[in-house]
Amino acid sequence: KAGVTQTPRYLIKTRGQQVTLSCSPISGHRSVSWYQQTPGQGLQFLFEYFSETQRNKGNFPGRFSGRQFSNSRSEMNVSTLELGDSALYLCASSWGHITLSNEQFFGPGTRLTVL
Amino acid sequence: AQKVTQAQTEISVVEKEDVTLDCVYETRDTTYYLFWYKQPPSGELVFLIRRNSFDEQNEISGRYSWNFQKSTSSFNFTITASQVVDSAVYFCALSEEHNFNKFYFGSGTKLNVKP
Repeated sequence: KAGVTQTPRYLIKTRGQQVTLSCSPISGHRSVSWYQQTPGQGLQFLFEYFSETQRNKGNFPGRFSGRQFSNSRSEMNVSTLELGDSALYLCASSWGHITLSNEQFFGPGTRLTVL
Repeated sequence: AQKVTQAQTEISVVEKEDVTLDCVYETRDTTYYLFWYKQPPSGELVFLIRRNSFDEQNEISGRYSWNFQKSTSSFNFTITASQVVDSAVYFCALSEEHNFNKFYFGSGTKLNVKP
C-alpha cells in the first residue's frame, strides 16, 4: 500500500507571496490532517478535513486555509507569507472513524522557506 | 497549559544501553488516546504505538516497551539494548475523544545512540 505523499518536498517563497501544498492520503483513508513543525513551537495542529469538510481547526490565522477533494486528496494554502511561516508542513492520513482506530500516518513533509 | 510534556530534551547513550523516554499528559476527558512517533533525520514521523485510556496493559514489541500509568498520567517508552539506528527524535502525542484526530504533541526527546 502506498504511503502518504506530499508535493512539493521543498519550496522557497518570498514574503507576501502565497503557496499551495498538496497531500495524497493512503488509499481508503478519508481524513487528512495538517501540522506545522518549527524549532520554536514544535508540532502544531493546523486543521483536519474529512469527507471534504473541515472537521477541526487549530489556532492559526485565517491566512492558513485548506480543502479536500472527493478523492480525499487535500491542499493547504498559505496567503501573504511571513518569515515566521518557514516550517516543515506535515500531512497525516487516517481512516477518520474512531471505530477504525485513529492513528495517523504522516507524509515526508514539505519544507517551506520564506525569504 | 501543555497537554503533553516531554521533559527530556536530549538523551545520549552508548549502544546496548537501555533508555527510557518520559511522557506526561494532561486531559479532563475520560476517553483519550496516546501515541508515540519516531522522527529520524529524514523528517518523516513514523507511528510506533497507540493506546486508549481504557487499556493500561503494558506493551512490548521487540526491543520497545511502553508503560502506561493513569495514576501518574504517564506513558513512558523504553528501548532495550539501544542501537545506533534508534537515534531520532521521539514524540509523544495525545488526542481526546471529542476531537480524536487533533493530536497534541510533546516537544520531543532527541535520542543519540553512540557506537
